[in-house]
Amino acid sequence: QVQLVQSESELRKPGASVKVSCKASGYSFTNYAINWVRQAPGHGLEWMGWIDTSTGDPTYAQGFTGRFVFYLDTSVSTAYLQITSLKAEDTGVYYCVRGASYGSGSWREVLFDPWGQGTLVTVSS
Amino acid sequence: DIQMTQSPSSLSASVGDRATIACRASQTISNYLNWYQQKPGKAPKLLIYAASTLQTGVPSRFSGSGSGTDFTLTISSLQPEDFATYYCQQSYNTPRTFGQGTNVEIK
Repeated sequence: QVQLVQSESELRKPGASVKVSCKASGYSFTNYAINWVRQAPGHGLEWMGWIDTSTGDPTYAQGFTGRFVFYLDTSVSTAYLQITSLKAEDTGVYYCVRGASYGSGSWREVLFDPWGQGTLVTVSS
Repeated sequence: DIQMTQSPSSLSASVGDRATIACRASQTISNYLNWYQQKPGKAPKLLIYAASTLQTGVPSRFSGSGSGTDFTLTISSLQPEDFATYYCQQSYNTPRTFGQGTNVEIK
């Protein structure tokens, strides 16, 4: 079945870096975008951006530029999120989710499914 | 950015009740509106896309309607497994913004 499996929880000190992986299976990896979504503790869902898996081109939402990097290893159908210079406010659950087109496939006709199980990143001294 | 506002923020209801959640966009988004369900400690799950199309496998007691700026998610008869948080999301433009969520609790 189509699924995204993420890496395990991470605990880091402020200023450190972290890498979250998202391994896809059950479909052709380069045919669908991967989006990243953050959920801070007790808060809602925040779209961080997406990466075009056919070209490797990332797009970052405002607030997720500079310290956040999306990249791929297509040989193992895996997307990665790297966060550098970690701050306490980066604490949260990070989800990868496949972006799939429906209808005529316009760039607006996008749904998010399936989601990875989430990776908790805790930043604390 | 397009702002998505859900109401109410929380809803207390009993099993068998009808539940209605509203979602309003800050500008017209046609029908580019998706709904997700999230249970505590779990990843969100797609329920409805294109405002009213039920995702495969989602029970028919869930329905969506609306177009333009105003949308509604309706659960016709709440079941115990439906108590969760629900989010709307627009795909009209980037950033792909979500509503703040509506927590459906057991009365």
